[in-house]
Amino acid sequence: QSALTQPPSASGSPGQSVTISCTGTSSDVGGYNYVSWYQQHPGKAPKLMIYEVSERPSGVPDRFSGSKSGNTASLTVSGLQAEDEADYYCSSYAGSNNWVFGTGTKVTVL
Amino acid sequence: QVQLVQSGAEVKKPGASVKVSCKTSGYIFTGFYMHWVRQAPGQGLEWLGWINPNSGAKNYTQKFQGRVTMTRDTSISTVSMELSRLRSDDTAVYYCARDSYNSVVGGALDIWGQGTMVTVSS
Repeated sequence: QSALTQPPSASGSPGQSVTISCTGTSSDVGGYNYVSWYQQHPGKAPKLMIYEVSERPSGVPDRFSGSKSGNTASLTVSGLQAEDEADYYCSSYAGSNNWVFGTGTKVTVL
Repeated sequence: QVQLVQSGAEVKKPGASVKVSCKTSGYIFTGFYMHWVRQAPGQGLEWLGWINPNSGAKNYTQKFQGRVTMTRDTSISTVSMELSRLRSDDTAVYYCARDSYNSVVGGALDIWGQGTMVTVSS
């Protein structure tokens, strides 16, 4: 299966919001509600931020929210903070017990 | 606390095999699926497959079928991933990551190992 499509970069000033898209097909994003989002700082392992499209694990700030419409999922970071500057990856169930990641988006806090 | 500790960096020649281990602690080893994910230098994440530490059942992404083998040793709460017939484009950081769903595979990876750098070079 092909990687999900994300914009290479996104940016916003502190306090603003940024939304990242994750586009797949009806065989992955559009077909299941098993979309997750991960944050990765340089040299670190990824961190789970959102699961099942819009659920937040314990400890993740409510500034992070997820949604889905059709074949596109989105992650919104509200009230941007300096520590939100990182790479973000989406992931989706793709059927037949397989998963696929997105291409990744680098978020810059201006 | 819940931890995944991976084996150290490896340097291998093309055509060789590499085995990366992932020792778990702080939770019931057989209760959670384990996934393997890799990341080539400067590139994105790539899912390799999962193993059920309870039954030993596994599923590999089609790209790696025939080259990857995932195993588990319940006596030492450790999972391992072996990749054979290595090529230069297998150079990457390999991560083990726990599935957060209890006893089923759901793909939300809540605990990650620190990563193991595998370099393939002649």
